[in-house]
Amino acid sequence: AQTVTQSQPEMSVQEAETVTLSCTYDTSENNYYLFWYKQPPSRQMILVIRQEAYKQQNATENRFSVNFQKAAKSFSLKISDSQLGDTAMYFCAFYFGNEKLTFGTGTRLTIIP
Amino acid sequence: NAGVTQTPKFQVLKTGQSMTLQCAQDMNHNSMYWYRQDPGMGLRLIYYSASEGTTDKGEVPNGYNVSRLNKREFSLRLESAAPSQTSVYFCASSDRGGKAFFGQGTRLTVV
Repeated sequence: AQTVTQSQPEMSVQEAETVTLSCTYDTSENNYYLFWYKQPPSRQMILVIRQEAYKQQNATENRFSVNFQKAAKSFSLKISDSQLGDTAMYFCAFYFGNEKLTFGTGTRLTIIP
Repeated sequence: NAGVTQTPKFQVLKTGQSMTLQCAQDMNHNSMYWYRQDPGMGLRLIYYSASEGTTDKGEVPNGYNVSRLNKREFSLRLESAAPSQTSVYFCASSDRGGKAFFGQGTRLTVV
């Protein structure tokens, strides 16, 4: 069974700074997908970024980028030039084949004005 | 674009009552999920359905039943609600690459 671990329950950073959220996972599979989801206080789940394991290039979406280390089974999210609207819970998730989508326990990120 | 529609948004039940949470998606996805979210626990999978006609248990299935009525709909039933089932419930569906789309959530309180 796949597991996803987020070891940072809470983080805070000053506005405009850069912050990195950590995620590790455990799997014996080779081709899979990794995700970061954002959940603001509205409770809406929003996809931030997706990484396909067969791609060596790290995914980027505007201010959001990942550091995907397949051998180390590590998948961190970097948020550059952080904004107040980035305050949210962030969940790392793993998906393989046609099976279940597994989430980590989340990191609560607070951007300080 | 409707995406994933989940009802109701709020519900209060008395211990022992039953209810069904409804979920429908209009994206022709094969996979659908029910999660519960408790403070500090992240999203825990209750049940999922990889395709129409199939369902599988997640990590916290006890006290719940599901039904994949057709490709669009995936319902979650609480037969005899307990206070431990007080939570926020999310329905989701995903495409072949695992990209998930979520409903708005149901805040359920069992008293």
